[in-house]
Amino acid sequence: EVQVMESGGGVVQPGGSLRLSCAVSGFTFSSYWMSWVRQAPGKGLELVAKINEDGSEKYYVDSVKGRFTISRDNAKNSLYLQMNSLRAEDTAVYYCLSERGGYWGQGTLVTVSS
Amino acid sequence: QAVVTQEPSLTVSPGGTVTLTCGSNTGAVTGGHSPFWFQQKPGQVPRTLIYDTSNKYSWTPARFSGSLLGGKAALTLSGAQPEDEADYYCLISYGGGRVFGGGTKLTVL
Repeated sequence: EVQVMESGGGVVQPGGSLRLSCAVSGFTFSSYWMSWVRQAPGKGLELVAKINEDGSEKYYVDSVKGRFTISRDNAKNSLYLQMNSLRAEDTAVYYCLSERGGYWGQGTLVTVSS
Repeated sequence: QAVVTQEPSLTVSPGGTVTLTCGSNTGAVTGGHSPFWFQQKPGQVPRTLIYDTSNKYSWTPARFSGSLLGGKAALTLSGAQPEDEADYYCLISYGGGRVFGGGTKLTVL
């Protein structure tokens, strides 16, 4: 059974940091590009960052470049998103996604508020 | 970054057929853009329906199909069911990046 589980969300003040984690089981994690997708309350989906199979290629949406860092540990079947200098507009549910695998996590809520 | 456009809303009758489209402001959408389609019901996690234009997953209902149509990616629902009422999003690849469309709210009525 495939399991994708995000963790690390919470409430943080503007300018603060959070590290999201995504633990995967049930499929060959190291064979897939992985992505972080977010959804602000009542809004659509936005692909925030993606990383290739061995971590050598990364992509970021313009709004998070220089603030967010995506990484992975294939030995631990885990994906990460380090989020620094958080802004109110980063408030969203963050999902871990294996695009071609079609697997989504349940999401973790990040709220940036003073 | 590129802008991906979808119909904001569509309505289909139960048992009817509807086509949702996904266009790009950079020009025609082709197979090289590797279009994906996702379904999201209220309060639920999105579900991937289609990858690389027309490929389905084991969980994709047979009534959904993906294609390229008139320079756009298209998702066709044939024989709509009440449970198909949801938001549908496409995802287009541009070089290293990927951009979601704004979503189509599909009503089955």
